[in-house]
Amino acid sequence: AQSVTQLDSQVPVFEEAPVELRCNYSSSVSVYLFWYVQYPNQGLQLLLKYLSGSTLVKGINGFEAEFNKSQTSFHLRKPSVHISDTAEYFCAVSGGSNYKLTFGKGTLLTVNP
Amino acid sequence: NAGVTQTPKFQVLKTGQSMTLQCAQDMNHNSMYWYRQDPGMGLRLIYYSASEGTTDKGEVPNGYNVSRLNKREFSLRLESAAPSQTSVYFCASSDLGAGGYTFGSGTRLTVV
Repeated sequence: AQSVTQLDSQVPVFEEAPVELRCNYSSSVSVYLFWYVQYPNQGLQLLLKYLSGSTLVKGINGFEAEFNKSQTSFHLRKPSVHISDTAEYFCAVSGGSNYKLTFGKGTLLTVNP
Repeated sequence: NAGVTQTPKFQVLKTGQSMTLQCAQDMNHNSMYWYRQDPGMGLRLIYYSASEGTTDKGEVPNGYNVSRLNKREFSLRLESAAPSQTSVYFCASSDLGAGGYTFGSGTRLTVV
């Protein structure tokens, strides 16, 4: 079985500030890790993914995440956020042969002027 | 544009009514999924189809049925809708091994 914990349900920040959205996972097998973004009244869009190789993964819109196997974490970071980054962010994990994605409960990022 | 198409986008049902949510993908993906999204709960898997001709239960299958009509289409049926099924439903597809899902834009269902 696998699970995902997003440690913050809401993160308010000011424009141009750095942000980190935290994600921890548990799984009994090797995992693939993902971050998705959902803008209001829209579907989910893939931000970035870790499948193997380098533990620092770069995604769209200036976001990056670091896979830390010893801490079972996959935190999402951006050095300087914009108003347009306001959205809900979901961390997800898949493992084993069935490739089912298990999602965290989401973190609402609100960027204020 | 290639992607996952869901219909309808909005629906209001009365308790006890039935309906089918449609999903089609044109990316030649093998696997398809149905999730529901509720506030504070994230996305929860209802049913999935790893390949054409197979379907399996996810985390919250009660009250739902699915049909994998062909490689492109995967429908979700509510036989007797209940207010607890008020939610936003997302269909997704994936190419096993490539990582990541492609999501549809969702169906917002209200059961009164």
